[in-house]
Amino acid sequence: GDSVTQMEGPVTLSEEAFLTINCTYTATGYPSLFWYVQYPGEGLQLLLKATKADDKGSNKGFEATYRKETTSFHLEKGSVQVSDSAVYFCALNDSGGGADGLTFGKGTHLIIQP
Amino acid sequence: GAGVSQSPRYKVAKRGQDVALRCDPISGHVSLFWYQQALGQGPEFLTYFQNEAQLDKSGLPSDRFFAERPEGSVSTLKIQRTQQEDSAVYLCASSPPLSGTPETQYFGPGTRLLVL
Repeated sequence: GDSVTQMEGPVTLSEEAFLTINCTYTATGYPSLFWYVQYPGEGLQLLLKATKADDKGSNKGFEATYRKETTSFHLEKGSVQVSDSAVYFCALNDSGGGADGLTFGKGTHLIIQP
Repeated sequence: GAGVSQSPRYKVAKRGQDVALRCDPISGHVSLFWYQQALGQGPEFLTYFQNEAQLDKSGLPSDRFFAERPEGSVSTLKIQRTQQEDSAVYLCASSPPLSGTPETQYFGPGTRLLVL
Protein backbone atom coordinates (compact mmCIF):
# COMPACT_ATOMS: atom_id res chain seq x y z
CA GLY A 1 0.00 0.00 0.00
CA ASP A 2 0.87 3.67 -0.11
CA SER A 3 3.04 5.19 2.60
CA VAL A 4 4.87 8.40 3.46
CA THR A 5 8.03 8.64 5.55
CA GLN A 6 9.26 11.94 6.90
CA MET A 7 12.07 12.86 9.21
CA GLU A 8 11.46 12.56 12.92
CA GLY A 9 11.24 15.66 15.01
CA PRO A 10 11.42 17.87 16.80
CA VAL A 11 13.65 19.91 14.55
CA THR A 12 15.03 22.97 16.34
CA LEU A 13 16.63 25.81 14.37
CA SER A 14 17.60 29.39 14.95
CA GLU A 15 15.82 32.20 13.14
CA GLU A 16 17.13 32.80 9.59
CA ALA A 17 18.56 29.27 9.33
CA PHE A 18 18.04 27.08 6.25
CA LEU A 19 15.37 24.42 6.61
CA THR A 20 15.04 21.00 5.02
CA ILE A 21 12.42 18.46 6.07
CA ASN A 22 12.84 15.19 4.21
CA CYS A 23 9.89 13.26 2.81
CA THR A 24 9.90 10.06 0.77
CA TYR A 25 6.95 8.05 -0.43
CA THR A 26 5.82 4.68 -1.71
CA ALA A 27 2.84 4.55 -4.04
CA THR A 28 1.34 2.04 -6.45
CA GLY A 29 0.30 4.71 -8.94
CA TYR A 30 1.43 8.20 -9.89
CA PRO A 31 0.47 10.28 -6.87
CA SER A 32 0.02 13.95 -6.23
CA LEU A 33 2.11 15.23 -3.32
CA PHE A 34 1.29 17.74 -0.60
CA TRP A 35 2.72 19.51 2.40
CA TYR A 36 0.23 20.47 5.09
CA VAL A 37 1.04 22.62 8.14
CA GLN A 38 -0.60 22.74 11.54
CA TYR A 39 0.13 25.88 13.56
CA PRO A 40 -0.39 25.74 17.34
CA GLY A 41 -4.09 25.68 18.17
CA GLU A 42 -5.16 25.64 14.52
CA GLY A 43 -6.37 23.08 12.00
CA LEU A 44 -4.40 21.52 9.16
CA GLN A 45 -3.94 23.79 6.17
CA LEU A 46 -2.38 23.20 2.77
CA LEU A 47 1.09 24.71 2.40
CA LEU A 48 1.93 23.60 -1.15
CA LYS A 49 1.39 20.80 -3.63
CA ALA A 50 2.76 19.24 -6.83
CA THR A 51 0.89 16.97 -9.19
CA LYS A 52 3.54 15.62 -11.57
CA ALA A 53 7.24 14.85 -11.75
CA ASP A 54 9.60 17.84 -11.62
CA ASP A 55 6.80 20.18 -10.55
CA LYS A 56 7.84 22.64 -7.84
CA GLY A 57 5.25 23.74 -5.33
CA SER A 58 5.90 26.98 -3.45
CA ASN A 59 4.18 29.17 -0.88
CA LYS A 60 5.23 31.57 1.91
CA GLY A 61 8.91 31.08 1.04
CA PHE A 62 8.65 27.29 1.28
CA GLU A 63 9.21 25.08 -1.73
CA ALA A 64 9.32 21.38 -2.59
CA THR A 65 10.11 19.59 -5.86
CA TYR A 66 8.43 16.35 -6.94
CA ARG A 67 11.31 13.94 -7.62
CA LYS A 68 9.98 10.74 -9.19
CA GLU A 69 13.41 9.12 -9.56
CA THR A 70 14.07 9.34 -5.82
CA THR A 71 10.38 9.21 -4.76
CA SER A 72 10.93 12.32 -2.67
CA PHE A 73 9.26 15.66 -1.93
CA HIS A 74 11.58 17.44 0.50
CA LEU A 75 10.40 20.73 2.01
CA GLU A 76 12.87 23.65 2.03
CA LYS A 77 12.98 27.26 3.14
CA GLY A 78 15.94 29.56 2.85
CA SER A 79 15.43 31.62 6.01
CA VAL A 80 13.00 30.49 8.69
CA GLN A 81 11.14 32.74 11.10
CA VAL A 82 9.78 32.15 14.59
CA SER A 83 6.29 32.21 13.06
CA ASP A 84 7.17 29.07 11.05
CA SER A 85 7.09 27.01 14.24
CA ALA A 86 4.47 24.34 13.59
CA VAL A 87 3.98 20.67 12.74
CA TYR A 88 4.52 19.85 9.06
CA PHE A 89 2.91 16.84 7.36
CA CYS A 90 3.88 15.35 4.01
CA ALA A 91 0.99 13.59 2.24
CA LEU A 92 0.05 11.91 -1.03
CA ASN A 93 -3.09 11.24 -3.03
CA ASP A 94 -2.92 8.21 -5.31
CA SER A 95 -6.36 8.43 -6.91
CA GLY A 96 -5.16 9.35 -10.41
CA GLY A 97 -6.91 12.70 -10.61
CA GLY A 98 -9.98 11.68 -8.71
CA ALA A 99 -10.80 12.21 -5.07
CA ASP A 100 -9.85 9.93 -2.25
CA GLY A 101 -8.28 10.07 1.17
CA LEU A 102 -4.80 11.42 1.68
CA THR A 103 -2.00 9.25 3.08
CA PHE A 104 -0.01 11.27 5.63
CA GLY A 105 3.40 10.96 7.21
CA LYS A 106 3.71 11.14 10.98
CA GLY A 107 4.54 14.84 11.00
CA THR A 108 7.66 16.83 11.86
CA HIS A 109 7.52 19.33 14.71
CA LEU A 110 9.57 22.41 13.80
CA ILE A 111 10.71 24.81 16.53
CA ILE A 112 12.34 28.09 15.54
CA GLN A 113 14.18 29.95 18.27
CA PRO A 114 14.75 33.73 18.12
CA GLY B 1 -15.92 32.80 4.08
CA ALA B 2 -16.81 30.08 6.56
CA GLY B 3 -14.51 27.11 6.74
CA VAL B 4 -15.20 23.54 7.77
CA SER B 5 -16.71 23.39 11.24
CA GLN B 6 -16.90 20.46 13.62
CA SER B 7 -18.79 19.88 16.84
CA PRO B 8 -18.30 19.22 19.60
CA ARG B 9 -14.70 20.35 19.83
CA TYR B 10 -14.11 18.13 22.85
CA LYS B 11 -15.93 15.01 23.97
CA VAL B 12 -15.33 12.84 27.00
CA ALA B 13 -17.10 9.48 26.95
CA LYS B 14 -17.18 6.54 29.27
CA ARG B 15 -16.14 3.25 27.76
CA GLY B 16 -19.15 1.62 26.16
CA GLN B 17 -21.01 4.85 25.38
CA ASP B 18 -22.04 5.82 21.88
CA VAL B 19 -20.83 9.16 20.46
CA ALA B 20 -21.78 11.24 17.43
CA LEU B 21 -19.43 13.75 15.85
CA ARG B 22 -20.69 16.37 13.42
CA CYS B 23 -19.04 17.99 10.42
CA ASP B 24 -20.31 21.00 8.45
CA PRO B 25 -18.32 21.25 5.20
CA ILE B 26 -17.71 24.36 3.16
CA SER B 27 -20.84 25.24 1.19
CA GLY B 28 -20.77 23.74 -2.29
CA HIS B 29 -18.05 21.23 -1.55
CA VAL B 30 -18.90 17.88 -3.05
CA SER B 31 -16.38 15.65 -1.34
CA LEU B 32 -16.14 15.05 2.40
CA PHE B 33 -13.53 13.04 4.26
CA TRP B 34 -13.08 11.78 7.82
CA TYR B 35 -9.69 11.09 9.37
CA GLN B 36 -8.51 9.82 12.75
CA GLN B 37 -5.37 11.34 14.28
CA ALA B 38 -3.81 9.61 17.26
CA LEU B 39 -1.49 11.57 19.53
CA GLY B 40 1.84 12.26 17.85
CA GLN B 41 0.77 10.66 14.56
CA GLY B 42 -0.40 11.84 11.19
CA PRO B 43 -4.07 11.70 10.24
CA GLU B 44 -5.32 8.34 8.98
CA PHE B 45 -8.10 8.12 6.42
CA LEU B 46 -11.40 6.67 7.61
CA THR B 47 -14.03 7.29 4.93
CA TYR B 48 -15.01 9.47 1.96
CA PHE B 49 -18.29 10.79 0.57
CA GLN B 50 -19.10 12.30 -2.77
CA ASN B 51 -22.36 14.13 -2.19
CA GLU B 52 -24.48 11.64 -0.22
CA ALA B 53 -22.74 8.54 -1.57
CA GLN B 54 -20.15 6.87 0.63
CA LEU B 55 -17.57 5.83 -1.97
CA ASP B 56 -14.83 4.53 0.29
CA LYS B 57 -15.06 3.27 3.86
CA SER B 58 -11.96 1.12 3.78
CA GLY B 59 -10.33 3.02 6.65
CA LEU B 60 -13.06 2.49 9.23
CA PRO B 61 -11.33 0.41 11.93
CA SER B 62 -14.33 -1.70 12.95
CA ASP B 63 -18.06 -2.09 12.50
CA ARG B 64 -18.51 0.13 15.56
CA PHE B 65 -17.70 3.09 13.31
CA PHE B 66 -20.41 4.41 11.03
CA ALA B 67 -20.61 7.59 8.94
CA GLU B 68 -23.46 9.18 7.03
CA ARG B 69 -24.16 12.22 4.90
CA PRO B 70 -27.85 11.84 4.05
CA GLU B 71 -28.42 15.13 2.22
CA GLY B 72 -24.97 15.57 0.77
CA SER B 73 -23.88 18.35 3.12
CA VAL B 74 -23.58 17.79 6.89
CA SER B 75 -21.97 14.51 7.93
CA THR B 76 -22.01 12.57 11.17
CA LEU B 77 -19.44 10.05 12.34
CA LYS B 78 -20.88 7.72 14.93
CA ILE B 79 -18.86 5.44 17.17
CA GLN B 80 -20.78 2.77 19.06
CA ARG B 81 -19.64 1.15 22.31
CA THR B 82 -16.54 3.35 22.51
CA GLN B 83 -13.25 1.81 23.59
CA GLN B 84 -10.16 3.48 25.04
CA GLU B 85 -8.28 2.95 21.78
CA ASP B 86 -10.85 5.20 20.06
CA SER B 87 -9.36 8.20 21.90
CA ALA B 88 -8.02 10.50 19.17
CA VAL B 89 -8.72 13.67 17.27
CA TYR B 90 -11.29 13.15 14.51
CA LEU B 91 -10.76 15.45 11.55
CA CYS B 92 -13.21 16.30 8.81
CA ALA B 93 -12.17 17.76 5.46
CA SER B 94 -14.05 18.86 2.37
CA SER B 95 -13.04 19.65 -1.19
CA PRO B 96 -14.74 21.30 -4.18
CA PRO B 97 -16.06 19.54 -7.29
CA LEU B 98 -13.49 17.48 -9.17
CA SER B 99 -11.58 19.18 -11.98
CA GLY B 100 -9.31 16.35 -13.11
CA THR B 101 -6.55 16.90 -10.57
CA PRO B 102 -6.69 16.06 -6.87
CA GLU B 103 -8.32 19.00 -5.19
CA THR B 104 -7.10 20.64 -2.02
CA GLN B 105 -8.79 19.29 1.08
CA TYR B 106 -9.84 21.92 3.62
CA PHE B 107 -9.72 20.67 7.18
CA GLY B 108 -11.85 21.50 10.18
CA PRO B 109 -10.43 22.06 13.67
CA GLY B 110 -11.21 18.49 14.75
CA THR B 111 -13.07 16.86 17.62
CA ARG B 112 -10.86 15.60 20.43
CA LEU B 113 -12.41 12.41 21.83
CA LEU B 114 -11.27 10.99 25.15
CA VAL B 115 -12.68 7.63 26.22
CA LEU B 116 -12.27 6.85 29.91
